[in-house]
Amino acid sequence: AQSVTQLDSQVPVFEEAPVELRCNYSSSVSVYLFWYVQYPNQGLQLLLKYLSGSTLVKGINGFEAEFNKSQTSFHLRKPSVHISDTAEYFCASTYNFNKFYFGSGTKLNVKP
Amino acid sequence: EAQVTQNPRYLITVTGKKLTVTCSQNMNHEYMSWYRQDPGLGLRQIYYSMNVEVTDKGDVPEGYKVSRKEKRNFPLILESPSPNQTSLYFCASSLSHSGSSYEQYFGPGTRLTVT
Repeated sequence: AQSVTQLDSQVPVFEEAPVELRCNYSSSVSVYLFWYVQYPNQGLQLLLKYLSGSTLVKGINGFEAEFNKSQTSFHLRKPSVHISDTAEYFCASTYNFNKFYFGSGTKLNVKP
Repeated sequence: EAQVTQNPRYLITVTGKKLTVTCSQNMNHEYMSWYRQDPGLGLRQIYYSMNVEVTDKGDVPEGYKVSRKEKRNFPLILESPSPNQTSLYFCASSLSHSGSSYEQYFGPGTRLTVT
């Protein structure tokens, strides 16, 4: 069975500071991994995805993530956050693009 | 504009009264899926459809039904809603293949309250 764990439910950070949101996955087969962002009262928007190839993946809004197979992790990073990055972030996995597994979410709160 | 639409956006109903939440996409996507979002649990997949007349269960299908008679529509049916189905529901769609441009598009959500 697959599962995705987001280790931090909330992450407070000051504006212009770096941030890392952690995601670990569990799977007995190869997986594909995603990060989504959800702004208040909106649906989910894809930030970035790892399908194959380079383990460092760059996404929109200056975010990047690194796929680490040995650590079964896919942590999301941004070197300098803005107030507008305040949102909830979800990590997700799939092995067949039919069944998807989401983490419980991390609320990023960027303070001025 | 490419989009996934859901109706209604908000719904308050009573236990046992059958309801349908509609989902429609205009991107000619083969794949569609329903999720529910609950605080602290993230999104959990209810049902998905790989194409017309092809549906399968996700992780939490109990109490829900779906149908896929047309490619663009994927309604979620609650035949006898119960308070534990109070949640935020999202519909999503994507192309079926996993090419580099793969992306799952989400609707705006339907907030359902069952009293």
